[in-house]
Amino acid sequence: EPEVTQTPSHQVTQMGQEVILRCVPISNHLYFYWYRQILGQKVEFLVSFYNNEISEKSEIFDDQFSVERPDGSNFTLKIRSTKLEDSAMYFCASSGGRSEGQPQHFGDGTRLSIL
Amino acid sequence: SQQGEEDPQALSIQEGENATMNCSYKTSINNLQWYRQNSGRGLVHLILIRSNEREKHSGRLRVTLDTSKKSSSLLITASRAADTASYFCATPRGGTASKLTFGTGTRLQVTL
Repeated sequence: EPEVTQTPSHQVTQMGQEVILRCVPISNHLYFYWYRQILGQKVEFLVSFYNNEISEKSEIFDDQFSVERPDGSNFTLKIRSTKLEDSAMYFCASSGGRSEGQPQHFGDGTRLSIL
Repeated sequence: SQQGEEDPQALSIQEGENATMNCSYKTSINNLQWYRQNSGRGLVHLILIRSNEREKHSGRLRVTLDTSKKSSSLLITASRAADTASYFCATPRGGTASKLTFGTGTRLQVTL
């Protein structure tokens, strides 16, 4: 069964550094998402992406965050200047349609640790 | 309060027993979805129930939806140790790509 893959599985970065998290969504999917989960807390929506542009973003997704689909397969999340509170699991997801009818398929996440 | 609150927060049962988890939500929904998360892994979609459905089955899973009470339940029958995981309900919220809003989750422990 096709799956969403994320790299790296664990990223350790110094505060203030830029980090890029990478995702390869399922190939025929059209909708892409990033979520994060701080240890022990809920999974939180960050951003959705459709038709080569951001569809919706949460309050968490401030100017330090950006997303890109640089080619036909990758979907990246960039954090420009990381803060300690950015430490979390970051999950990429993709869907073949809107969530009103289609489930989202998640990768196994990237654990981001900011020192 | 948050959209999507599961209870109990934690549930410990023995293998072979049934596990029931509940989810309450606040606003009108088009559908409600249940996901499983094994420790250190991503979320796995289990089942989607639409607002015009009252009950749905998938293997050992049974989901009910009561839109009048804004609640859903997930029943896992004849549980196995491999069912040990956290279970989340999620509801799609508006927008072109419809983000999912997750509940707090129920941590299920199935012991031998």
